[in-house]
Amino acid sequence: AQKVTQAQTEISVVEKEDVTLDCVYETRDTTYYLFWYKQPPSGELVFLIRRNSFDEQNEISGRYSWNFQKSTSSFNFTITASQVVDSAVYFCALSEAESGGYQKVTFGIGTKLQVIP
Amino acid sequence: DAGVTQSPTHLIKTRGQQVTLRCSPKSGHDTVSWYQQALGQGPQFIFQYYEEEERQRGNFPDRFSGHQFPNYSSELNVNALLLGDSALYLCASSWGGKGDTQYFGPGTRLTVL
Repeated sequence: AQKVTQAQTEISVVEKEDVTLDCVYETRDTTYYLFWYKQPPSGELVFLIRRNSFDEQNEISGRYSWNFQKSTSSFNFTITASQVVDSAVYFCALSEAESGGYQKVTFGIGTKLQVIP
Repeated sequence: DAGVTQSPTHLIKTRGQQVTLRCSPKSGHDTVSWYQQALGQGPQFIFQYYEEEERQRGNFPDRFSGHQFPNYSSELNVNALLLGDSALYLCASSWGGKGDTQYFGPGTRLTVL
């Protein structure tokens, strides 16, 4: 069974600080995909990144960066120089191919990030 | 390029009633997944529709059913509503399967009194 753990339920940082959101996953599949989504107060989940299990390259997109380590089953997300607009709930998610190749996505409980001006 | 749309935005029902939620996928997408998100929780997978068939289902009772139409839009039906069904219902669309990114709609907030 697949599982995603986000141990940090709430984090508060002062604007311009760096912050890392942790994500640990469990899966028995060798082929799987990891995602991060942002959910602002409006409620809509916004896609941030997708990473497949064969690509352990870290990725940077502006102030966002992601560190994928298969050895520790972790896919952590760092925001550099945080801004008030980064305040939201962030979800890590795992997708593995079920029998027949169909996709099922499991989400973590989310980390609520508050950036204080 | 239209994103995923859902209707209605908000809905208030009483216990025992039935409700239908609607979703139109992002242009070019053929797969629709439904999720239930209780307050303070992550989205929980309900089921996924592809080619008008339910092809994957989460741990939800038969009171939750769905349908996909030839134009790929989808409906989620919940019968015999319980107070615990109060949640944000999210629709996500994607293309095919196997790890394709799911794009989410704004959700329908259902309140059961």
